Amino acid sequence: DGGITQSPKYLFRKEGQNVTLSCEQNLNHDAMYWYRQDPGQGLRLIYYSQIVNDFQKGDIAEGYSVSREKKESFPLTVTSAQKNPTAFYLCASSLDRNNYGYTFGSGTRLTVV
Amino acid sequence: RKEVEQDPGPFNVPEGATVAFNCTYSNSASQSFFWYRQDCRKEPKLLMSVYSSGNEDGRFTAQLNRASQYISLLIRDSKLSDSATYLCVVNFASGYSTLTFGKGTMLLVSP
Repeated sequence: DGGITQSPKYLFRKEGQNVTLSCEQNLNHDAMYWYRQDPGQGLRLIYYSQIVNDFQKGDIAEGYSVSREKKESFPLTVTSAQKNPTAFYLCASSLDRNNYGYTFGSGTRLTVV
Repeated sequence: RKEVEQDPGPFNVPEGATVAFNCTYSNSASQSFFWYRQDCRKEPKLLMSVYSSGNEDGRFTAQLNRASQYISLLIRDSKLSDSATYLCVVNFASGYSTLTFGKGTMLLVSP
């Protein structure tokens, strides 16, 4: 079955550590996205990529980095520069035209300990 | 500025009731519109797209009013399983762009 897979489901990070969240899709979608959701808040865009080897900053890119070396994969690194990283992170993908909406992965819950 | 506004609720309704949510958006040039459903601690899932002529999918009806820049979702004969947060989503441009999500309206259906 085609879909989008995020791992791990839960992740704990110590202060000062970088961590990488995985996102893989086999839907043959061109575009991929990373969102962050805080309790009671809407989804906020971190980074997005419309084609391989290209990506754009979203509204809250500071403290995050991404790569898009393969069409199927769009990992997100949460760096130590991100001051408040505890959140629910959602990866999504879409066909080349956005009129069809997004397909989301099941998310990663990141907690700083 | 790209903004999507929703009443956060919660809307508390009994089973079998009809309930409607509205959403307003900031840009009259917006191109495409969606309603997503998000269950507690889960990812959002596409409920339905919203077309200019209005569209229906079973118990769910979505309507778009471009002149007033609002979108509505009507749920008839509410079920317990309809309890969730409903996200209004707008694409503010054509072609490649990103979707802007509202913060959601929570619906609680009780027996």
